[in-house]
Amino acid sequence: AQSVTQLGSHVSVSEGALVLLRCNYSSSVPPYLFWYVQYPNQGLQLLLKYTSAATLVKGINGFEAEFKKSETSFHLTKPSAHMSDAAEYFCAVSNSGNTPLVFGKGTRLSVIA
Amino acid sequence: KAGVTQTPRYLIKTRGQQVTLSCSPISGHRSVSWYQQTPGQGLQFLFEYFSETQRNKGNFPGRFSGRQFSNSRSEMNVSTLELGDSALYLCASSPGGGLSNTEAFFGQGTRLTVV
Repeated sequence: AQSVTQLGSHVSVSEGALVLLRCNYSSSVPPYLFWYVQYPNQGLQLLLKYTSAATLVKGINGFEAEFKKSETSFHLTKPSAHMSDAAEYFCAVSNSGNTPLVFGKGTRLSVIA
Repeated sequence: KAGVTQTPRYLIKTRGQQVTLSCSPISGHRSVSWYQQTPGQGLQFLFEYFSETQRNKGNFPGRFSGRQFSNSRSEMNVSTLELGDSALYLCASSPGGGLSNTEAFFGQGTRLTVV
């Protein structure tokens, strides 16, 4: 069975600081991995996805994530946080295009001016 | 291109009642998935419909059901509502089967409150 663990339910960074949100997965087969962002009272928006092409994936809004098979990790980073990045971030895994997404519990990112 | 549309956005129901939520996927998308989001349990998969057939099902009681119409629009129904059914219900649409199904586009959700 697939599962996703997001370390830290809440992360707080200063504006301009590095953002690092952690995600570890377990999967019996090579996974597809995703990061989604959710703003208050909104649905989920796809930030980026890994589907076995390049291990470093660039997404929208300056975010990127690196797939590390040896560490079963897919951490999300952004060099410089903006106030507008404050939101909830979800990591998700799927074994194939025909299986549902399994989400982590989410990490709420706060950005301090 | 219009996004995923969920109606209504907000709903208040009484325990024991039933409710129907609607989701219109992106034009051309044939797969619709439903998720329940609560503070305690996070995002949990309910079911997925593809070309009017339920393709995947999560671990929810039979009170939760869904269907998909020939135009890919989907509805989910919850009967005999319980207080614990209060949640944000999210619908996601995907192009179709295989790799193209890996990109899911979410609607804004329906906030259901059961009193």
